[in-house]
Amino acid sequence: KAGVTQTPRYLIKTRGQQVTLSCSPISGHRSVSWYQQTPGQGLQFLFEYFSETQRNKGNFPGRFSGRQFSNSRSEMNVSTLELGDSALYLCASSPYSSNYGYTFGSGTRLTVV
Amino acid sequence: DQQVKQNSPSLSVQEGRISILNCDYTNSMFDYFLWYKKYPAEGPTFLISISSIKDKNEDGRFTVFLNKSAKHLSLHIVPSQPGDSAVYFCAATDSNTGNQFYFGTGTSLTVIP
Repeated sequence: KAGVTQTPRYLIKTRGQQVTLSCSPISGHRSVSWYQQTPGQGLQFLFEYFSETQRNKGNFPGRFSGRQFSNSRSEMNVSTLELGDSALYLCASSPYSSNYGYTFGSGTRLTVV
Repeated sequence: DQQVKQNSPSLSVQEGRISILNCDYTNSMFDYFLWYKKYPAEGPTFLISISSIKDKNEDGRFTVFLNKSAKHLSLHIVPSQPGDSAVYFCAATDSNTGNQFYFGTGTSLTVIP
């Protein structure tokens, strides 16, 4: 079965712009989580959606937001981009809860210039 | 506030020998732990997990040990193979409170042929 699909793979934006990243989970998976990966920081949890509702949220500013659609696809949006937002953004899906681990997508590499 | 720490950013091991990757955590409520492996330009892939009711879990060449009193876990790879060269992340969660995993900053393993 198809894995977790993230689009686009690479993105270059200018400071102050906004960006939307997309994630299609594995078919049947209802939980989608987003992580930011930067060198030296590991993976930092952004938020998790389940059945179109945000179920959990990490410690990121309000410029970071997300949503989930009825087909479980998810988007995350970052407004007023800053240079420090340059990172690999990873989406992960799981059937109900992540207690048995996620399946990650390949990520979107965002570069803010 | 890094609740999961991997204090060794890198590790080099000869092919055929044992690789030991270490991980420490601070939150005594964490009760489920996972290891992920990540190749460049790919998302992390799930490797092995352990619940706090166990102190060891084995899957082929991979064994995870959990020392709850020391809040420490380790991943042993025996024998190490060149294809094991990757970044390894440990992750932990309190399965009673949410769907969020806390990740370490990763250890880059190089297996030398």
